[in-house]
Amino acid sequence: TQLLEQSPQFLSIQEGENLTVYCNSSSVFSSLQWYRQEPGEGPVLLVTVVTGGEVKKLKRLTFQFGDARKDSSLHITAAQTGDTGLYLCAGDVGSNYKLTFGKGTLLTVNP
Amino acid sequence: IAGITQAPTSQILAAGRRMTLRCTQDMRHNAMYWYRQDLGLGLRLIHYSNTAGTTGKGEVPDGYSVSRANTDDFPLTLASAVPSQTSVYFCASSPFWDTGELFFGEGSRLTVL
Repeated sequence: TQLLEQSPQFLSIQEGENLTVYCNSSSVFSSLQWYRQEPGEGPVLLVTVVTGGEVKKLKRLTFQFGDARKDSSLHITAAQTGDTGLYLCAGDVGSNYKLTFGKGTLLTVNP
Repeated sequence: IAGITQAPTSQILAAGRRMTLRCTQDMRHNAMYWYRQDLGLGLRLIHYSNTAGTTGKGEVPDGYSVSRANTDDFPLTLASAVPSQTSVYFCASSPFWDTGELFFGEGSRLTVL
């Protein structure tokens, strides 16, 4: 059973379009992280959300944590080719502080 | 440049051979982790260390061992490699064990034939 379900699995869009990817679980997370991974590299942390209902913005990226702390979304405005990559959500259930990762959304932004 | 260094970058190994993947960090982070990443399965935790001198098992520890003799180094050993251990291995570190904010290395691609 996958603890963190990410959707869509694949997304291909044109430069300038908006998009939203989702991270869902039946478990409550004490915190949730979003990472981006480019080919041949390790994941890089984008943001941590902790409080239910929290919204964080990172330039054109907007992250939201669900009120019940079971889900999160990442919205990208006016996507650029540099946004291409694998977007991973990760969280720890309860207080064991060992991250579980979703399988990711592979985003391709075409010029 | 500060960060995590993994070695080797890539390795092809015969089944049954012993292999150690090296991981060194210079950020003085307390916690370190080993993950494997496989197509369709995502990133899975193999072993972790909350602080020097302690280690723990993750989701998929069988066939792997680790040691944490000091803060900077966290090697991962495959005692007798099997083809199912073909994967990309990532080492990561974190300032504290109770945070999900990990810094990852570039990865080691291992092929077991």
